[in-house]
Amino acid sequence: AQTIHQWPVAEIKAVGSPLSLGCTIKGKSSPNLYWYWQATGGTLQQLFYSITVGQVESVVQLNLSASRPKDDQFILSTEKLLLSHSGFYLCAWSLLLSGNTLYFGEGSRLIVV
Amino acid sequence: AQSVTQPDARVTVSEGASLQLRCKYSSSVTPYLFWYVQYPRQGLQLLLKYYSGDPVVQGVNGFEAEFSKSNSSFHLRKASVHWSDSAVYFCAVSMWDSNYQLIWGSGTKLIIKP
Repeated sequence: AQTIHQWPVAEIKAVGSPLSLGCTIKGKSSPNLYWYWQATGGTLQQLFYSITVGQVESVVQLNLSASRPKDDQFILSTEKLLLSHSGFYLCAWSLLLSGNTLYFGEGSRLIVV
Repeated sequence: AQSVTQPDARVTVSEGASLQLRCKYSSSVTPYLFWYVQYPRQGLQLLLKYYSGDPVVQGVNGFEAEFSKSNSSFHLRKASVHWSDSAVYFCAVSMWDSNYQLIWGSGTKLIIKP
């Protein structure tokens, strides 16, 4: 069975500090991977997606970057956090079959102070 | 351009009552259609999906949705809600001409009254 794990579960970080959020998918070869951001209030915003190792497409950057160093790993990062980065970050995987059904991780909550 | 509208930001229903959450989409072709649920402080979980066949599709936990091509709608229903159904529900669509990138509705928060 496929599992998706996000880390950390939650963080409180200072404005201007760096950030790294991670996501690992087990049990599925060469998945498409996604990062979403969810502000308080719930609207989902797709940030990045990747269909293969080393390739990441940006949808909305929000002064963030993403990398896919391994087939099963997706990293979201920034060198300098802004207050506006606060929110809930969701990683998801899919296969293009079946219309690109997404399967989400449990999310990482970020509070920037 | 494709779009998804969930016209109700909040829906309040009494426990045991029936439920309908509305979703309308804009597309020139029939897309893949999805309903997801998000419980507090959790990720999203797939409830059901539809592309073709019987317009009424069954999902998990007693949920079903009905596709209407004429109305461009994909409404979610449940015959009898339980307090544990309290969550935010998202409708989404994907289409081949957008490389199957999902387009999301704004979500409907379901509140269950005891």
